[in-house]
Amino acid sequence: KAGVTQTPRYLIKTRGQQVTLSCSPISGHRSVSWYQQTPGQGLQFLFEYFSETQRNKGNFPGRFSGRQFSNSRSEMNVSTLELGDSALYLCASSLTGAASLNTEAFFGQGTRLTVV
Amino acid sequence: AQSVSQHNHHVILSEAASLELGCNYSYGGTVNLFWYVQYPGQHLQLLLKYFSGDPLVKGIKGFEAEFIKSKFSFNLRKPSVQWSDTAEYFCAVNALHGGTASKLTFGTGTRLQVTL
Repeated sequence: KAGVTQTPRYLIKTRGQQVTLSCSPISGHRSVSWYQQTPGQGLQFLFEYFSETQRNKGNFPGRFSGRQFSNSRSEMNVSTLELGDSALYLCASSLTGAASLNTEAFFGQGTRLTVV
Repeated sequence: AQSVSQHNHHVILSEAASLELGCNYSYGGTVNLFWYVQYPGQHLQLLLKYFSGDPLVKGIKGFEAEFIKSKFSFNLRKPSVQWSDTAEYFCAVNALHGGTASKLTFGTGTRLQVTL
């Protein structure tokens, strides 16, 4: 069974630009969550999508948005990039998502975004 | 809101030493608890999980954790570490709040360095 796939693996963008990251979950998984990982803040929850609907959202500005397609693939978009957006962005998939207990999340390798 | 505290930010051990990493969470209801490991350059992998039942949980690579409900703790242990255990370890909790969607919340991580 293929794991969670994130593309691209590495990205360098200029301040003010926008970026789109992609995540393909494990086949059959309907929930996709996104996290931002930085050395100072650890893993911070961005949002979760389930069956194309955003079900939960973390405390990030509106520049961070996402969507999920009918095949459960998800994209995350960051507009008007700032230097502080440099981070590893992780995607996790699970069968039912965090709204159900007794479910496990599987993580992709992440997209390393550097904003210069 | 639920939160997770990991007391040790950086731990250095010699090979064959015993390991215990602390994790405390703040939520009084039903929880799922997890330990994830991130080896250098690799994605987050699940070490072990607690959903219910026996509070002593065994995971991969000889790791175990004990859920102590009265102390809101889920400490990770390994009797004898190996150089290959050098990695960052994250404790995480998932909980339902009044039946509404929750999210997986991570601690800030503990960097373990095992020396030969």
